[in-house]
Parts: sequence; C-alpha cells; structure tokens
Amino acid sequence: EAGVTQSPTHLIKTRGQQATLRCSPISGHTSVYWYQQALGLGLQFLLWYDEGEERNRGNFPPRFSGRQFPNYSSELNVNALELEDSALYLCASSKPGGDTQYFGPGTRLTVL
Amino acid sequence: AQKITQTQPGMFVQEKEAVTLDCTYDTSDQSYGLFWYKQPSSGEMIFLIYQGSYDEQNATEGRYSLNFQKARKSTNLVISASQLGDSAMYFCAMRGARTNTGNQFYFGTGTSLTVIP
Repeated sequence: EAGVTQSPTHLIKTRGQQATLRCSPISGHTSVYWYQQALGLGLQFLLWYDEGEERNRGNFPPRFSGRQFPNYSSELNVNALELEDSALYLCASSKPGGDTQYFGPGTRLTVL
Repeated sequence: AQKITQTQPGMFVQEKEAVTLDCTYDTSDQSYGLFWYKQPSSGEMIFLIYQGSYDEQNATEGRYSLNFQKARKSTNLVISASQLGDSAMYFCAMRGARTNTGNQFYFGTGTSLTVIP
C-alpha cells in the first residue's frame, strides 16, 4: 500500500511570492491534515480537510489556505510569502472515522 | 485546553539498552487518543504506537511499549533493546474528543534520542 506522498520535496521562493504544496493521501483515506514545522520546533496544526470540506484550521493567517479535491488529494497555498514561512510542511491522512494520522515525507519550503 | 509536555529535550542510550521517553498531557476530555511518532533526520513522521484513553492494557508494538498512567496523565514510551537506527526525534501527540471540528492532533516539542554504539 502506497503511503502519503507530497510534492515537491523542496521549494525555494522569494518574499511576496506564492507557494503551492501538494499531498496525496493513502488510498481509502478521506481526511487530510496540514502541519507546519519550523526549524527545531514541534508541529503546528494548519488545516484539516475531510470529504472536500475544510473542517478546522489552526492559528494561522488567511494567506494560508488550501483545498481538497474529489479524489481526496489536497493542496496548500501560501500567499505573500514571508521569511518566517520557511519550514517543513507535513501532510497527513486518516481513514474515515479513523484515529491514526499517517504522514508524508514533507515539503521543505525556503523563503529568501 | 489540550496540552502535551515532553520535558526531555535530549536523551542518550547505549545500544541494546532500554530507554524511557516521558510525556504528560492535559485534557478535560473523557475520550482521547495518545500517539507516539518518530522523526528521523529525513523529516518524515513515522507512526509508532497508539493508546486509547479507555484501553486498560498498555499498548505494545514490537520493541515499543507504553507505560500509560491515566490518573497521572502520563504516557511514557519505552524502547527496548535500542538500535542505532532508533536515533531520531520522538514526538508525543494527543487527539482530543471528536467533534465536528475535532480530530485535531496536539504535539509535544519532542525528545531527541541518540543511541551510542
């Protein structure tokens, strides 16, 4: 069974640009979660999508947004990039009604 | 409010020895789930083990086991027979009671484990 996949692996942008990160969940999983992990820090919850709807978001500004597609894949968009947006962005998925979140390898975003 | 606390920023263990990583949590929910993840330097978070709040037995998965003490709100991870490949960051996480906006995970700040040959 294929795990959660994320693309790209690395992304380099400059301040003010937009970044788009993509995530494909494990087959059969309907929920997708996005987390930000800044260097040396723990995971901060960003967004939760389930069945195509945004169900919850963490304490992040509106320039962090995303969507979930009919095939349950998801993308995270970060507008007007700031230097402090540099981080590892992790995507996770879970089964319908499931507990455990399974993570992808992450996208490392660097803002110059 | 949900909170996870890992008080050990870094731990060292001799290869083949056992090590315990501490985690305490705070929640007013009656039903919750507790998880441990391993994050190697590559960055991927690897699920290790799960304990439900109503589970009476401590969870075990191979060399990983949990010392779950509900009254003390602690769920310590025990790794037996440490291997060099166990060197990584370890995160404790909690899922609170499910709601329409729930299933959100709360993570601790992590413990860096180094296995010494």
